[in-house]
Amino acid sequence: QQQVKQSPQSLIVQKGGISIINCAYENTAFDYFPWYQQFPGKGPALLIAIRPDVSEKKEGRFTISFNKSAKQFSLHIMDSQPGDSATYFCAGLKAAGNKLTFGGGTRVLVKP
Amino acid sequence: EPEVTQTPSHQVTQMGQEVILRCVPISNHLYFYWYRQILGQKVEFLVSFYNNEISEKSEIFDDQFSVERPDGSNFTLKIRSTKLEDSAMYFCASSVSFYEQYFGPGTRLTVT
Repeated sequence: QQQVKQSPQSLIVQKGGISIINCAYENTAFDYFPWYQQFPGKGPALLIAIRPDVSEKKEGRFTISFNKSAKQFSLHIMDSQPGDSATYFCAGLKAAGNKLTFGGGTRVLVKP
Repeated sequence: EPEVTQTPSHQVTQMGQEVILRCVPISNHLYFYWYRQILGQKVEFLVSFYNNEISEKSEIFDDQFSVERPDGSNFTLKIRSTKLEDSAMYFCASSVSFYEQYFGPGTRLTVT
């Protein structure tokens, strides 16, 4: 069974600081690695994603780093803002069947 | 910006009753999905649907569950005989290609 493990479970960061969330996967069958942001009472919203043939992708304050050999990837949120306070999920997508396997989530709190 | 919509936002039902959760995917999307999230836990894949067929389903998606695209705009999830453990937030998602899945706001199902 494909698993995605995510850490930490929760994170507190000061405004302007860097939030770092790490994920590891156990299976090489994933074709795509998205990150989702979820606010309370809302559905997950696609934030940024990376393909396994790319080592880094940056969009604004959000950066994914990907290490294929270690089967690990991480999300960095630079200059964290209170509005970034949310739960973040990493995921792996298997193209056959289009199935997303989510990590356990990280609750990020950015203190003003 | 186009969005996935879901109705109802909250459904309360008694154990053993049938429920139908409704979704309107983004109009030009071809792939449709249902996921669920038990309170405080990670998002879990239920089923993917393409070209009027199920592409893949998880072990959660047993004979009590079914999906249908009854017309050109709606996508439904039916649970025939609900159990207490079916209480969760159910998310519909859609995508135009394999990769970027967009989620609706969810239907909170409470089984009493």
